[in-house]
Amino acid sequence: DTGVSQDPRHKITKRGQNVTFRCDPISEHNRLYWYRQTLGQGPEFLTYFQNEAQLEKSRLLSDRFSAERPKGSFSTLEIQRTEQGDSAMYLCASMRGSSYEQYFGPGTRLTVT
Amino acid sequence: GNSVTQMEGPVTLSEEAFLTINCTYTATGYPSLFWYVQYPGEGLQLLLKATKADDKGSNKGFEATYRKETTSFHLEKGSVQVSDSAVYFCALTDSNYQLIWGAGTKLIIKP
Repeated sequence: DTGVSQDPRHKITKRGQNVTFRCDPISEHNRLYWYRQTLGQGPEFLTYFQNEAQLEKSRLLSDRFSAERPKGSFSTLEIQRTEQGDSAMYLCASMRGSSYEQYFGPGTRLTVT
Repeated sequence: GNSVTQMEGPVTLSEEAFLTINCTYTATGYPSLFWYVQYPGEGLQLLLKATKADDKGSNKGFEATYRKETTSFHLEKGSVQVSDSAVYFCALTDSNYQLIWGAGTKLIIKP
């Protein structure tokens, strides 16, 4: 069990650029979640996958945000035309079945200048 | 909608003091309840959970009891250590096991 990994750990980008983050879940976990965390707040749910199916995406913050999990393994979160308000920590978590326990990665910190 | 409210921090205590961090929730149905901890520079870690009313979750000396009648899940520890300094988050599961989070409580333990 190598844990949930995220790449990159830090990303600095200029406003208007596109960014993509990757999450590798724990291998036997079929559910994968994306959250956003801003300073001093708890995480905010964005979207989740069960295997390769994206079962909830209405909480994605705008149509600039999209996520994929093409083969039910790793996932990517893309933000197009970044804005300064997108600066935050983006967290990925995975979970096996209905175990109730989500395991979090270290996060990707995005700074939009 | 579902929500979690936890006491504001920071909470500052001396080593070996008794800790309580309050958490109350609003939810339809019967959510599961969690405490997560975030140590400085590290990711979120599950500390303990309770999946039904009157369940007590416990780990590393921390405890919390799922109280449906008061919609609460307060975190307690009998004797805190400097190493317990961290941010603690209370959370509940929404449908599809999505987590709904409180704002977090920063705990500072002084030697």
